[in-house]
Amino acid sequence: GIQVEQSPPDLILQEGANSTLRCNFSDSVNNLQWFHQNPWGQLINLFYIPSGTKQNGRLSATTVATERYSLLYISSSQTTDSGVYFCAVELGAAGNKLTFGGGTRVLVKP
Amino acid sequence: EAQVTQNPRYLITVTGKKLTVTCSQNMNHEYMSWYRQDPGLGLRQIYYSMNVEVTDKGDVPEGYKVSRKEKRNFPLILESPSPNQTSLYFCASSWTSSHEQYFGPGTRLTVT
Repeated sequence: GIQVEQSPPDLILQEGANSTLRCNFSDSVNNLQWFHQNPWGQLINLFYIPSGTKQNGRLSATTVATERYSLLYISSSQTTDSGVYFCAVELGAAGNKLTFGGGTRVLVKP
Repeated sequence: EAQVTQNPRYLITVTGKKLTVTCSQNMNHEYMSWYRQDPGLGLRQIYYSMNVEVTDKGDVPEGYKVSRKEKRNFPLILESPSPNQTSLYFCASSWTSSHEQYFGPGTRLTVT
């Protein structure tokens, strides 16, 4: 079955809007990361966050490991935020690799 | 600058012609890994290495080989590439699999 599930699959935002992306996972995690894949295909690390809350500029993330989910918040979105956002986890039962979610494709319109 | 580099970035080749994609990291990381990304299938792990001379299969190892003779390098070898290996490939490194992984820029491979 699906081990890492992201929602929504697609998101269209007007520039300046706020949004929340969600990642659900099926097991305890040793590692959880959020990535942004830009239009050129590069995977850019946003957060390493197996638990707790972190903030970096307009982005912040929260992982509630006991409830098996993580949230990525984008505030005051900009067109450069467009791309695909991936959650990736190292699940306790499947160590030594990151299992990626299906991603959330975000389009920010000017 | 701490980074993971891959070469080449783009490659078009023909079926059966052996090729190697290099991966190098300058962070003294123990763990390195290769992933491929395909539309509709997401990113999947091909091989990983916990340390020098220690490698193991990921989810989709068929048709690939790796080696880890030095800590900094982890080349991906396609002995006889086939069209179904056309994909975007990423190398990654970290202290361990449970630490933050850093990804290379990707190698876009087309096999005709």
